[in-house]
Amino acid sequence: EIVMTQSPATLSVSPGERATLSCRATQSLNSYLAWYQQKPGQAPRLLIYDTSTRATGIPARFSGSGSGTEFTLTISSLQSEDFAVYYCQQYNGWPLTFGGGTKVEVK
Amino acid sequence: EVQLVESGGGLVQPGGSLRLSCAASGFTVSSIRMSWVRQAPGKGLEWVSFLYSDDRTFYADSVKGRFIISRDDSKNTLYLQMNTLRAEDTALYHCARDLTTGRNLFHYWGQGTLVTVSS
Repeated sequence: EIVMTQSPATLSVSPGERATLSCRATQSLNSYLAWYQQKPGQAPRLLIYDTSTRATGIPARFSGSGSGTEFTLTISSLQSEDFAVYYCQQYNGWPLTFGGGTKVEVK
Repeated sequence: EVQLVESGGGLVQPGGSLRLSCAASGFTVSSIRMSWVRQAPGKGLEWVSFLYSDDRTFYADSVKGRFIISRDDSKNTLYLQMNTLRAEDTALYHCARDLTTGRNLFHYWGQGTLVTVSS
């Protein structure tokens, strides 16, 4: 099983600032890495897949990068609606696995 | 518009069974990979099962042999039959739809149905 580790667990950021979230896998993912956003009481939303492709309707301030086992989600300028929990997910192999999440909170 | 509406959750005793349903609209469940993802209270996301359009199925080790994913094309509905339930199966269960290109992703989500396993 591919284990996904996200860091930090909590990220305190001021509105308008840049946020950088990390996700590490225990083996190479061949770029098959996705990011989801989840707000309280809501279902998750797909943001990014194939490491850097934004899903339909996702703003350009969200970007993904990385390769191999190290990946990053960057939110260039945090808006109020971006404060949420973010999960990475690998789909390079079975079972599909998620990271434990990073909570982005208001500083 | 794509919509997914889950139902069937509830309180069940350990060892019991439950069948979850996910009614889909705006697309045909038989044509796109469908899945179940769960989230224990206050915890992260855990993939449970996937059903491909060619009827191949995939399961997390934690539910293999106990859960069965299926669909009814005439009702455009996805199911999850859960047997021999354990306390650790307590979670909000979401059904999710993949991208149309079939990538093993979770593009559209339902709001979930809560399953509580307790005596």
